[in-house]
Formats: sequence, structure tokens, C-alpha cells
Amino acid sequence: EIVMTQSPATLSVSPGERATLSCRASESLGNLAWYQQKPGQAPRLLIFAASTRATGTPARFSGSASGTEFTLTISSLQSEDFAVYYCQQYSNWPPTFGQGTKVEIK
Amino acid sequence: EVQLVESGGGLVQPGGSLRLSCATSGFTFSGYEINWVRQAPGKGLEWVSYISTTGSTIYYADSVKGRFSISRDNAKNSVFLQMNSLRAEDTAVYYCARDEYYYQYWGQGTLVTVSS
Repeated sequence: EIVMTQSPATLSVSPGERATLSCRASESLGNLAWYQQKPGQAPRLLIFAASTRATGTPARFSGSASGTEFTLTISSLQSEDFAVYYCQQYSNWPPTFGQGTKVEIK
Repeated sequence: EVQLVESGGGLVQPGGSLRLSCATSGFTFSGYEINWVRQAPGKGLEWVSYISTTGSTIYYADSVKGRFSISRDNAKNSVFLQMNSLRAEDTAVYYCARDEYYYQYWGQGTLVTVSS
């Protein structure tokens, strides 16, 4: 199965600053999604197809891809953006998730 | 409004069984694939199982293969996960999630605790 590795595990950012989250796949793939999860809530789809924002995802969230490296960028962190973010590949079965990046207030 | 509501979780002893349900509304259920995804306490997300629109195609994670069984009833807009031979490592919140590849809609989850 494809292994997804996210970095860093924790990212400390001040409100208004830019956050850059990374996700690396163990092999080349073309289909990746990003989710946001807040405590006690189900995950929320943010991005699919590596760079397409899901319905309702604010424009400050953007996704990009380069080979096996994928990036989620939050251009200017808002208070509601502090959460855990997961990447998920859906190119090959089984679908696999990264271990998550926690974005916390600095 | 699209809704998925899980039920059936609870405390079960190792080796026991549970049947989870995912009741849906707000969309044409028979036209969508459904997955189960779980999350152990304080851990990340793990895909568990997938069922196609007609139930003709089913996949399982290796960690549950041979112990879990997914099914659906398109007349009742529901999906089920029969979990047998439960182990401590199956303890998690179980979510049902709509769609084949990435998951636009999720339920709120149901907690399964496997402990003696």
C-alpha cells in the first residue's frame, strides 16, 4: 500500500501568518485529498485532486503537487483554522491517510 | 441536506461482535458508494471498508479482512458493518463517509470500545 508521510507533526503559527503543511507519498500518485479535523468532530474535506477546493472551502486554503510531494498552504491563518490536517491518497487501493499535522496557536 | 448517522457502537469484550449502522438522508442513496473509516483514540484516520452502489464490489483493509463484513440496503438508505472477533486494537470511533475516492460527507461517528 502507499504510505503517506506528513510533516511536521505539529506546526505552531500565529494568527494571520502563513502555514505550509507537507505530505509525501511513498510512490507516484495523482489523486490526493486534504481534510481538516477539529476536536470531537468528523473530518471535513478541504481539497481534492491535489488542488481543487471543495465546496465551502475558503480561498485562503490552496493545494499543490510536485511528484510525490504535496503541499497544503493556508495563506493567513484564522482562529478557526487551528486543527489537525490529514492528507489522503486515492490513486490506489487501499486509500491511505497521513498521520496528520496539528496546527496550533503560537 | 445530506446526513449520515452512525449507530450501534458500544462496549464489547474481546472476541465479541457488534453491528454498526449508517442511516442516510438528503441524497439518492443508491447512487453513491459508502466507506467506513475509523479513528483510534488520539490517533489518525484509517480506512476500513468500501461498498459500491449495488453492493457488488466490496473492499476491506487487511487489518479487518475476514472479521468485518459490509453490506447495504438501498431500500432503507442504510449501510451496515458487521464486526466479529473484535480485538482491543479495533477500539475507535467509526465513521461512515460518502463517495468512492475522497469523502465529501461524513457522519458524526460511533465509538466502539473493545475491552474486558
